[in-house]
Amino acid sequence: NAGVTQTPKFRILKIGQSMTLQCTQDMNHNYMYWYRQDPGMGLKLIYYSVGAGITDKGEVPNGYNVSRSTTEDFPLRLELAAPSQTSVYFCASTRLANRETQYFGPGTRLLVL
Amino acid sequence: QKEVEQDPGPLSVPEGAIVSLNCTYSNSAFQYFMWYRQYSRKGPELLMYTYSSGNKEDGRFTAQVDKSSKYISLFIRDSQPSDSATYLCAMKGPNTGNQFYFGTGTSLTVIP
Repeated sequence: NAGVTQTPKFRILKIGQSMTLQCTQDMNHNYMYWYRQDPGMGLKLIYYSVGAGITDKGEVPNGYNVSRSTTEDFPLRLELAAPSQTSVYFCASTRLANRETQYFGPGTRLLVL
Repeated sequence: QKEVEQDPGPLSVPEGAIVSLNCTYSNSAFQYFMWYRQYSRKGPELLMYTYSSGNKEDGRFTAQVDKSSKYISLFIRDSQPSDSATYLCAMKGPNTGNQFYFGTGTSLTVIP
C-alpha cells in the first residue's frame, strides 16, 4: 500500500490564482481530512469527509472547497489564492472502525506571493 | 483558552537521556489521546494511542494519561538521535464529532 499520497509536493502561486491539491489513499478508508500547519500553530482542520459524496467544514474552511466523488480521492481547491494561505497542507485518512487514529500524507508546501 | 496546550520547546537532550513530553487540555470529555512524531518536512506519523486514563508502553515509549489533571505525557527512554523530531499530541472525545484537537508540537533534538 502506498498509504496517503499528496501532489504536488511544493507549489508557488501568485495572488488570485487557483489550484487543486490532490490527495489519494489506497487503504479503503472512509474518513478523510484536510489540515493546514503553520509554524507554532499546530494542525488546523479545513474540511473533512465521512464518505463519498459527504463533506463538512472544519475549523478554518474559508477560501477552500472540497469534493469527494470516490472513496480514494479528496481534492482541496483554492479558488483565489491569498498570502494568508501560505502553509503546509496535510491530507489524512482513518478507517471507519478505528476513527481515532489518522494516517497522514507527506504534505504539500504552498507559497502564495 | 486553547483546547490543547503544548510547550513548543525546543528541547535538547544528550543521547541516552529520558525525555518527558507533555500536554494539558481543557475539555474533560476527551477520551482518545494520541502522540504523533513528525520529522522535518514530513507528515505526522502515529506513535502511541491511548483510550481514557492509564499507561501504555511500546518499546522505549510510554504514554500516560491523567484525566483528573487533564494532563498527558509521553516518555522516551534511552533516547536516540533518530528520535529527533517534533512530537504532536492530539485528542478527541465522543462529543467532538469528527474533529481532532492537536497541540502545537514540541521540537526535540537528541545530541549524539
